[in-house]
This record gives sequence, C-alpha cells and structure tokens, in this order.
Amino acid sequence: AQRVTQPEKLLSVFKGAPVELKCNYSYSGSPELFWYVQYSRQRLQLLLRHISRESIKGFTADLNKGETSFHLKKPFAQEEDSAMYYCALKTGGSNYKLTFGKGTLLTVNP
Amino acid sequence: EPEVTQTPSHQVTQMGQEVILRCVPISNHLYFYWYRQILGQKVEFLVSFYNNEISEKSEIFDDQFSVERPDGSNFTLKIRSTKLEDSAMYFCASRGTDPQYFGPGTRLTVT
Repeated sequence: AQRVTQPEKLLSVFKGAPVELKCNYSYSGSPELFWYVQYSRQRLQLLLRHISRESIKGFTADLNKGETSFHLKKPFAQEEDSAMYYCALKTGGSNYKLTFGKGTLLTVNP
Repeated sequence: EPEVTQTPSHQVTQMGQEVILRCVPISNHLYFYWYRQILGQKVEFLVSFYNNEISEKSEIFDDQFSVERPDGSNFTLKIRSTKLEDSAMYFCASRGTDPQYFGPGTRLTVT
C-alpha cells in the first residue's frame, strides 16, 4: 500500500539557517511527488512537484528513488517560510488521488 | 487567479443531523475531490468525481456520505446522519490536468 512518512512533526530553525524537511514514501508504481504548503489560516497551496524540477521561493526537492525520499530543502530560511508543509504522493491513473504525509510545522525564528 | 471556494467556512451541527458542504471548483476543471483532516491528523482522501460519477472512494466514504454536482458550478458533499467522529476540516479540490487546487476548507463540528 502507498504511504508517505514525514518523520518530523515540528521543526524550528533560525532565520538564515538551512532547512530540510524530510519525506519518505512507499509505492509500488512510478512515484510522482508534491510538496504542498499551508500558511496560517490559508488553504493548501502547491509549492513544487518533482517532475518540474523547479525552485519555488528558494525551495528545492529532489526525488531519490533509491532512498525513496523527496526531501524539501532551502539554504537560507526566512521568517515568512513558517508554515505547515505536506508531502504528497500521486497514486492512481488519470483520475489520481493524493496520499499525504502528516505534515511538518516549520517555525523560522528571528 | 481563479480559486476553489467553499461554503460555509465553519458549520456546527448536532449528531444525527444532515449537513451539506458546498464547493465551487475552478470553472474549466473536470476532476473534483473531497479530502478531510481530523484535528492533529493527516489529510485523507475521501472521494474523487469525474464525468458526473464517483471515480474512487475511500473506506471512510461509507453510505452516510454522498457527492453531487447539481449544476455546472457546484460540487457538494452530503453527510446524512453526522457522528461525533465526522468533526474535521473538509477540503474540496479540483484540477484540469495537474495539479490539484484546494479550497480553504469547511470546519465541521459535530456536537
């Protein structure tokens, strides 16, 4: 069965420090992964997806099939990065659904 | 930029009552979803809907739940007889190709 694991419930860093939010997945098919972000009292928003290999707001994530990981990284955290981050795995065919991890609450301290 | 909207933002109901949660997906999207998040837990898939029928439903989506697209714009989730454990945040999502765009959620509180 498919599963997404985000081992850290809470992560606290200081402004300017590097940040890495961990995500591991379990899936028998070809994985497609996303990071969604939820700022305080706002909706879930797509941050990035592995197929586009882009950097959004300074964040990057690389799919590592050997380690079944899709960790989210940013070299220099900003206070406005404080939010809930969810890793999600796309499963199913053309009408896919998302399987989410439990989320990591990132707090960036001044 | 178009957004998915949901009403109401917060619904309080008594156990055993019926509730209808409403969503207006992005206008040219064809795939629709409901997810829920019980406080402190992960976002869970409930149901997907395409071409006026359910494509997939989770084990959570039992006979108490139903979805409908009554007109060209709304997408609703009905819970026939609410239980305490239905208290959660319910998110609607829609997509064209990719990705899924989420609404702001409806917080359902069952007392």
